[in-house]
Amino acid sequence: DAGITQSPRHKVTETGTPVTLRCHQTENHRYMYWYRQDPGHGLRLIHYSYGVKDTDKGEVSDGYSVSRSKTEDFLLTLESATSSQTSVYFCAISESAARGADTQYFGPGTRLTVL
Amino acid sequence: SQQGEEDPQALSIQEGENATMNCSYKTSINNLQWYRQNSGRGLVHLILIRSNEREKHSGRLRVTLDTSKKSSSLLITASQAADTASYFCATEGSYNTDKLIFGTGTRLQVFP
Repeated sequence: DAGITQSPRHKVTETGTPVTLRCHQTENHRYMYWYRQDPGHGLRLIHYSYGVKDTDKGEVSDGYSVSRSKTEDFLLTLESATSSQTSVYFCAISESAARGADTQYFGPGTRLTVL
Repeated sequence: SQQGEEDPQALSIQEGENATMNCSYKTSINNLQWYRQNSGRGLVHLILIRSNEREKHSGRLRVTLDTSKKSSSLLITASQAADTASYFCATEGSYNTDKLIFGTGTRLQVFP
């Protein structure tokens, strides 16, 4: 999985609790992305980062926040988890976007269940 | 938002047959990408084709791009059971090439 790890790989939590997912890369790539994948919706972008401390929203950012204090780490936080955030979360990285969107490399995913 | 849409949603074939999946998108692009996802795993990049390219090959994979029709196709020749997976096309966001927009995918089942 191209030097990308996600932790935890599985998590079960209760509605209203905060949850933080971590993505760690060893490739020194500039861009990092958080997606969620749900049946019938494909992959949807939550937030992404184009550098340390530089982040932007994706199409489904409500209820999520992110932080990137180091090149290698990108954190996704659910401040108060809801059942609608039950999903599989994927982190991805890419090197540049100089000639359009670059190849993305994906982590193994985190399966989150909110009861 | 711009989105690639794959067709068909599901495809079942026998080993040795060819599999063709199509992708349509809405606005002009710099490139289009195809990814594969095995069950329970992350996506794996297959091919990137640029807007000035019409066809690209990688092993048993052939991708075509028709920018006039805003469509692409992925052909897998001599399919194998190991090709069983979901296949996604991805295009850039309309105003922001930092991002990829993924379609909902084609589920390919190859029977031995």
